[in-house]
Amino acid sequence: EVQLLESGGGLVQPGGSLRLTCAASGFTFSSYAMSWVRQAPGKGLEWVSGIIATGGSTKYADAVKGRLTISRDNSKNTLFLQMNGLRAEDTAVYYCAKAPKDHFYHGMDVWGQGTTVIVSS
Amino acid sequence: DIQMTQSPSSLSVFVGDRVTITCQASHDISNYLSWYQQKPGEAPKLLIHDAANLETGVPSRFSGSGSETHFTFTISSLQPEDIATYYCQQYDNVPLTFGGGTKVEIK
Repeated sequence: EVQLLESGGGLVQPGGSLRLTCAASGFTFSSYAMSWVRQAPGKGLEWVSGIIATGGSTKYADAVKGRLTISRDNSKNTLFLQMNGLRAEDTAVYYCAKAPKDHFYHGMDVWGQGTTVIVSS
Repeated sequence: DIQMTQSPSSLSVFVGDRVTITCQASHDISNYLSWYQQKPGEAPKLLIHDAANLETGVPSRFSGSGSETHFTFTISSLQPEDIATYYCQQYDNVPLTFGGGTKVEIK
């Protein structure tokens, strides 16, 4: 069964850091692009960042550029999101999502259950 | 950035009714569009990709159409389990962008 399991969320003060992890199973992780998508409380979906299958290219939404960094370890079937300089507006459920191909210029066919990040003093 | 304008933002219909949601892109995105269903407290689920291609296992009452800037999502006969918020998303260009969502409720 294809599965994505996020972890690492929590309560952090403004300006603080968190590292989100997404453990993948049930598919050849190294063959597919991955993305992080977030959803603020009561709001819609917002794509945050994407990384191609090899890890050789990454893209970010303007709202997070320079503060959030996506990476992957294909040997451990794991996706990461390093979050620095967190702001109140980063408060959201963060989903990791798999693309159906090796590039993130596609939809997202498998989603994790999400991990909650709360930025507050 | 490509803006995705989705309408309506909510609708209330009877079981068995036809539901139609539209999504307008600010630029030509060819057919690089997906539709997702999100039930309360759950992760989104991909229903349709490339504007009109139904994902495996998705009931045939769901369908999508359109190209370039105008897209339509239809539920031919609403079932109680279809209560959810639906989102369109373009993947023609980065940043990938979503429509604002359409909340579907039962009358």
